[in-house]
Amino acid sequence: QSALTQPPSASGSPGQSVTISCTGTSSDVGGYNYVSWFQQHPGKAPKLMIYGVTNRPSGVPDRFSGSKSGNTASLTVSGLQAEDEADYYCSSYAGRSNLVFGGGTKLTVL
Amino acid sequence: EVQLLESGGGLVQPGGSLRLSCAASGFTFSSSSMTWGRQAPGKGLEWVSSISDTGGTTYYADSVRGRFTLSRDNSKNTLYLQMNSLRADDTAVYYCVKGGVSTTPLAYWGQGSLVTVSS
Repeated sequence: QSALTQPPSASGSPGQSVTISCTGTSSDVGGYNYVSWFQQHPGKAPKLMIYGVTNRPSGVPDRFSGSKSGNTASLTVSGLQAEDEADYYCSSYAGRSNLVFGGGTKLTVL
Repeated sequence: EVQLLESGGGLVQPGGSLRLSCAASGFTFSSSSMTWGRQAPGKGLEWVSSISDTGGTTYYADSVRGRFTLSRDNSKNTLYLQMNSLRADDTAVYYCVKGGVSTTPLAYWGQGSLVTVSS
């Protein structure tokens, strides 16, 4: 159960777009369409932002979008806003009833 | 409104035991897979264990298999995590989550319960 690989940090100016990657293997990200993304503000519980690679739960702004190519999933935040500054985590089903998370990416809005 | 309220955290010595509870409301608990995740201080998220809606099937991360036991009481809308043989690296905030490992996403998270393993 190795963790998925995310960049430690990402940044962008208000109004810009930023993409965060999540790299796994053919046994997790590449093998299943069960990739999720979570947003976590300091001291708060995680919040689901994307599930099933591309699906947004009700209430999540359409500025957030997800995609996948091969063993790498991506979260794109368009039209960056100050409130988007947070930690972001990806997760993926890893087969044999296992779930694996990425190490997290700290998104800074400049 | 979905609510998940964890309780039972605290300070325990290495080798000790603790039982976490999660009281659920705002949804049909007996129809939902449930999960525990954790986050060590200053670290990332880690999946710990999941259970099917009936409680008939449980899944565990390698790091806790054989030491932790996940169960549920659908008549009380409550999820339990029995943690035995606790180690220092089990120190974390433990989150109760509505959802499972694959088809049902981890859609709602409780506010967490801090477990500290230290002598």
